[in-house]
Amino acid sequence: DAMVIQNPRYQVTQFGKPVTLSCSQTLNHNVMYWYQQKSSQAPKLLFHYYDKDFNNEADTPDNFQSRRPNTSFCFLDIRSPGLGDAAMYLCATSGGTGAGNYGYTFGSGTRLTVV
Amino acid sequence: AQTVTQSQPEMSVQEAETVTLSCTYDTSESDYYLFWYKQPPSRQMILVIRQEAYKQQNATENRFSVNFQKAAKSFSLKISDSQLGDAAMYFCAYNAGGTSYGKLTFGQGTILTVHP
Repeated sequence: DAMVIQNPRYQVTQFGKPVTLSCSQTLNHNVMYWYQQKSSQAPKLLFHYYDKDFNNEADTPDNFQSRRPNTSFCFLDIRSPGLGDAAMYLCATSGGTGAGNYGYTFGSGTRLTVV
Repeated sequence: AQTVTQSQPEMSVQEAETVTLSCTYDTSESDYYLFWYKQPPSRQMILVIRQEAYKQQNATENRFSVNFQKAAKSFSLKISDSQLGDAAMYFCAYNAGGTSYGKLTFGQGTILTVHP
């Protein structure tokens, strides 16, 4: 089945140690998103790629970076994780722009713990 | 900026009964999309139902239906014949359409408990 896959499902990292979360998709969707979801809160958009065009949200900290080497893969890099970055990180894809938006397909998320 | 508000942090319902989750939003756009997403504990977020603002007819998907009141900027979700598997966090979400590239703004979520 076509899907969005996030690895790993759980990630533990040390305070200040760089960490990378990965997302892959078999849907051939042109838009990929990274959301941060803290416990019992709404997901918050960090950034998205429309094809190779990177779009950062204004309030996303510089500590968060992203890479999209091809259509299928997108990575979230946290350069120096702090305790406040512990959260669920959701990857999602969308096949269209606004007029053709049929909602997202989400991955299962990566739960990041910072120790 | 668009905002989405879910005023019910928690709701509960008896199995086989009906429950309605509330959502209001604020926008100056005339064309947009609204969604309800379901997020079971430790599981993937999935799309429940979608509504296009230019359509007056309320969307329906099996036991799930919406009451879309555009003038009031209200978008409630009705779950009929509730099942134990409906227990989850439900998020209302808004997309401005146009060139927004599908960016979704989520409400705070409503935790739904289903009692057997």
